[in-house]
Amino acid sequence: QSALTQPRSVSGSPRQSVTISCTGTSSDVGGYNHVSWYQQHPGKAPKLIIYDVSRRPSGVPDRFSGSKSGNTASLTISGLQAEDEADYYCSSYAGSYTRGVFGGGTKLTVL
Amino acid sequence: QVQLQESGPGLVKPSETLSLTCTVSGDSISSYYWSWIRQPPGKGLEWMGYIHYTGSTKYNPSLKSRVTISADTSKNQFSLNLTSVTAADTAVYYCARDPGGNFQVHHWGQGTLVSVSS
Repeated sequence: QSALTQPRSVSGSPRQSVTISCTGTSSDVGGYNHVSWYQQHPGKAPKLIIYDVSRRPSGVPDRFSGSKSGNTASLTISGLQAEDEADYYCSSYAGSYTRGVFGGGTKLTVL
Repeated sequence: QVQLQESGPGLVKPSETLSLTCTVSGDSISSYYWSWIRQPPGKGLEWMGYIHYTGSTKYNPSLKSRVTISADTSKNQFSLNLTSVTAADTAVYYCARDPGGNFQVHHWGQGTLVSVSS
């Protein structure tokens, strides 16, 4: 199972919005609504920020939103803040055999 | 609030077996799916496998022949064994909870770095 494709890096200024894409196939992103996004600060464990394509766990600001179209999922962060600077990973369920796959990660820089 | 804590040696010799334990508090491992995920330094995440509370397991096909995940419900712990390690197995190892078994990890341990070196 190949990793999901994410841009290596994105950047934005404070208060702006950025979108991170995550492209898979009909066997993963396009086939299931179990796409999730994780935020990882340096030296820390990943933190779930979006699951089931667009649902936010309790405590995650509504500045974070997720969507999906076909084989591509997207994470949008609006009203960028300095603390949003981190690595972001997407993942998708891929069926009972393979189970799932992660994206390669995107480094977000807040200018 | 569920908490997970990895423990085990930080250094393993090549060709030996890497063994880690995850201690869970705030929840019983007699429910849900419990996973191991690793991250080589500077690289992305790799799912290694899970154990379901029924005892069933599923492993990443790329690691299937080397990885074993087991559970001790009396201690509320689950464990990872990875055999015949090489330098490529050097990584931060995370234990995690995937409540729905659909590859969405809601809770992570803090991670433990395991280096493979002689």
